[in-house]
Amino acid sequence: GENVEQHPSTLSVQEGDSAVIKCTYSDSASNYFPWYKQELGKGPQLIIDIRSNVGEKKDQRIAVTLNKTAKHFSLHITETQPEDSAVYFCAASKEGGTYKYIFGTGTRLKVLA
Amino acid sequence: GAVVSQHPSWVICKSGTSVKIECRSLDFQATTMFWYRQFPKQSLMLMATSNEGSKATYEQGVEKDKFLINHASLTLSTLTVTSAHPEDSSFYICSALPLGGIDTQYFGPGTRLTVL
Repeated sequence: GENVEQHPSTLSVQEGDSAVIKCTYSDSASNYFPWYKQELGKGPQLIIDIRSNVGEKKDQRIAVTLNKTAKHFSLHITETQPEDSAVYFCAASKEGGTYKYIFGTGTRLKVLA
Repeated sequence: GAVVSQHPSWVICKSGTSVKIECRSLDFQATTMFWYRQFPKQSLMLMATSNEGSKATYEQGVEKDKFLINHASLTLSTLTVTSAHPEDSSFYICSALPLGGIDTQYFGPGTRLTVL
């Protein structure tokens, strides 16, 4: 079945350094890839997304890249800050389908001050 | 914009009772809402897809008679956990797909259910 693998499961970086989280999807028909940030005890918040007709998207310190051929996409956070500490989930879905997300397993990011 | 609320934010109930959780889209209409369950340190597990005015579609392994879903309006979906047991204790999260939207889901803050 459809699957999204996410690595690493945990990531610790020093404040100011960059963090990269990678996801690989199995369904080549997937064409929408959002990233969510979830803080403890809260619901996921959309931080950035990318559609399959775009290879890269950036929003201030956050960027996402997509390689359709290899079926993987990555989240890049530059100049990390302590408030970036959270769990990050990637997801994949198919536009015009059931709208269901297939979520990755999550990455717990710790930014050390 | 795109705010989703859930009520209650947490609930404690006795085994055997039923609990209703509300999910509301506050500033947009949503024909489709989703209900997820999340265990500690795990990913979100889709339970069901809720479409306004029609029966919910449940994922494999989710008991539809135990987890009753009603999507009576374009801004409200409810999840009722019937005859709750301790193993139903979890974090329940809803999301909403805006009317006319094609992909982005907006999530609620979650409801922590503890069954004693």
